[in-house]
Amino acid sequence: QVQLVQSGAEVKKPGSSVKVSCKASGGTFSSYTISWVRQAPGQGLEWMGRIIPILGIANYAQKFQGRVTITADKSTSTAYMELSSLRSEDTAVYYCARESLSGPHYDYWGQGTLVTVSS
Amino acid sequence: EIVLTQSPATLSLSPGERATLSCGASQSVSSSYLAWYQQKPGLAPRLLIYDASSRATGIPDRFSGSGSGTDFTLTISRLEPEDFAVYYCQQYGSSPLYTFGQGTKLEIK
Repeated sequence: QVQLVQSGAEVKKPGSSVKVSCKASGGTFSSYTISWVRQAPGQGLEWMGRIIPILGIANYAQKFQGRVTITADKSTSTAYMELSSLRSEDTAVYYCARESLSGPHYDYWGQGTLVTVSS
Repeated sequence: EIVLTQSPATLSLSPGERATLSCGASQSVSSSYLAWYQQKPGLAPRLLIYDASSRATGIPDRFSGSGSGTDFTLTISRLEPEDFAVYYCQQYGSSPLYTFGQGTKLEIK
């Protein structure tokens, strides 16, 4: 069955960068759009951006433009999200999610990666 | 930017009761682009409803979705103990491409 397995928790200093991975199995990776969604402690869900691996095209939420880079490696069925210039407000659980082929909703999610930004 | 406002923020009900959760959009949303998710503590969200009213695979029929335009509703006909969680609506549209409501916490009364 489909699985999205994310990399482990990270602790980062303010001003640094973090790169989180999301390895897909059980489906045709290139055919699906992968989004990154984050959730600050006790808060709601926030969309950051997405990539369409078959096209290699990424779109980003304006809020994160210039700070986030989403890439995909089709050879390993892995998507990546890199966030730079980290600040304490970036402390959150970061999820990757696969968009269904039937429409713009997410049918599979990764388990989440906690990124803590602290000096 | 389309803003989704969910109400109530918290809903306190007992098992066996009916739950009605609302999601209002600041602009009209295509019904094909409105989804609902359930999230339990420490877990990723789970897709419940897509296209405003279609149940996702494996979702019990006590969950139903309805609505169009700017007003959407998630109904749980008879609450089971495992239904107490946070629920989010989500839309796809203009920038940002995807937005979520702030969530409704369904708690045991």
